[in-house]
Amino acid sequence: EIVLTQSPGTVSLSPGERATLSCRASQSLSRTYLAWYQQRPGQAPRLLISGASSRATGIPDRFSGSGSGTDFTLTISRLQPEDVAVYYCQQYDRAPRTFGQGTKVEIK
Amino acid sequence: EVQLLQSGGGLVEPGGSLRLSCVASGFIFSNYPMTWVRQAPGKGLEWVSAIDPSGGGTYYADSAKGRFTISRDNSKSTFYLQLSSLRAEDTAIYYCAKLTITNGWINDYWGQGTLVTVSS
Repeated sequence: EIVLTQSPGTVSLSPGERATLSCRASQSLSRTYLAWYQQRPGQAPRLLISGASSRATGIPDRFSGSGSGTDFTLTISRLQPEDVAVYYCQQYDRAPRTFGQGTKVEIK
Repeated sequence: EVQLLQSGGGLVEPGGSLRLSCVASGFIFSNYPMTWVRQAPGKGLEWVSAIDPSGGGTYYADSAKGRFTISRDNSKSTFYLQLSSLRAEDTAIYYCAKLTITNGWINDYWGQGTLVTVSS
């Protein structure tokens, strides 16, 4: 099973700052089958990014994804109050599909 | 608009059973694979099971094999997760989700979640 390790555990930034979230896979993904999800407090997760870098429909362009192989990054370029959430990466390259443990984004 | 409406959660004793349902609308249900993901209280997301568009292919996490059964009724745009031999560690919010069919199976729409509590 592919283990995804996200870092940091929590990031606390001021509005307008840049947030960089990391997701590292225990094995290289042969395809860039890596997704990012946002889960706001009390809500269901929402798809942000698929294929490591393709934004889902309706996702603001301040969210961007990058990476390949074992190292992937989600960047929020200008943090907004509504971005307070836990962010999860997921690989769908190999069964079983696995999620990272999440990174919590807070606003200072 | 894609909508996934869940039902069937609740309190059940250890060893008991429960069936979760997810009614879909806003897309051609029979064309898409579907999946269940769960989240234990205060914890992260865990993939549980998936089913292909026809219902002929089903997939399970090790934690679900032999105890949970996924199924679907395309005539009702509904799919299900039958939970059996439940344990305390199965306590979680269970989310249903629609999967995309291009460039891999990705959870592009999610239901609101339903809480399953296993306790005596």
